[in-house]
Amino acid sequence: AQTVTQSQPEMSVQEAETVTLSCTYDTSESDYYLFWYKQPPSRQMILVIRQEAYKQQNATENRFSVNFQKAAKSFSLKISDSQLGDAAMYFCAYRSSQGAQKLVFGQGTRLTINP
Amino acid sequence: NAGVTQTPKFRVLKTGQSMTLLCAQDMNHEYMYWYRQDPGMGLRLIHYSVGEGTTAKGEVPDGYNVSRLKKQNFLLGLESAAPSQTSVYFCASSYSNQYEQYFGPGTRLTVT
Repeated sequence: AQTVTQSQPEMSVQEAETVTLSCTYDTSESDYYLFWYKQPPSRQMILVIRQEAYKQQNATENRFSVNFQKAAKSFSLKISDSQLGDAAMYFCAYRSSQGAQKLVFGQGTRLTINP
Repeated sequence: NAGVTQTPKFRVLKTGQSMTLLCAQDMNHEYMYWYRQDPGMGLRLIHYSVGEGTTAKGEVPDGYNVSRLKKQNFLLGLESAAPSQTSVYFCASSYSNQYEQYFGPGTRLTVT
């Protein structure tokens, strides 16, 4: 079974600075998808960014980018120019390309933005 | 277009009581999922459905039942609630296994 590990329960960053959240995963599959979800205090799960394992290029979405290291099974999220609205829980998630494609989540990292 | 909605948003149950959580989506999605979120943990899959009339067990199915009688609705039932089922429950849906999962706002359930 696949597992996802986020080793940083909490992180903090100064407003306008850059922060990187870590994620590692374990799988024997070669084709899969990786995601970062944001969960603000409202509880709503918001998709931040996705990465297809077959793509070597790292995904970017505005201030959010990933560092995808397939061989190392590492998938970190970099947030540039941090804003107060970025404060939230961030979850890394894995999805197989086979079957019903259920999401497997990490434990989450709580990100605090200091003004 | 409301997306994914969940009813109710909050509920308090006594041990042994039963209840049903309703998830509805108006995006014509085939796949629907029920997750639970506990403190210090990510979401864990309870049950899922790949189409109307089908259901399957996820990672933590014990104590729950589900039904998908209509494509747009996915019901999660607790027949005899236990304190260990105190959690936040999320429903999600996706068009197919190639597309993103969209989440509902969650239901906070407390069992005393």
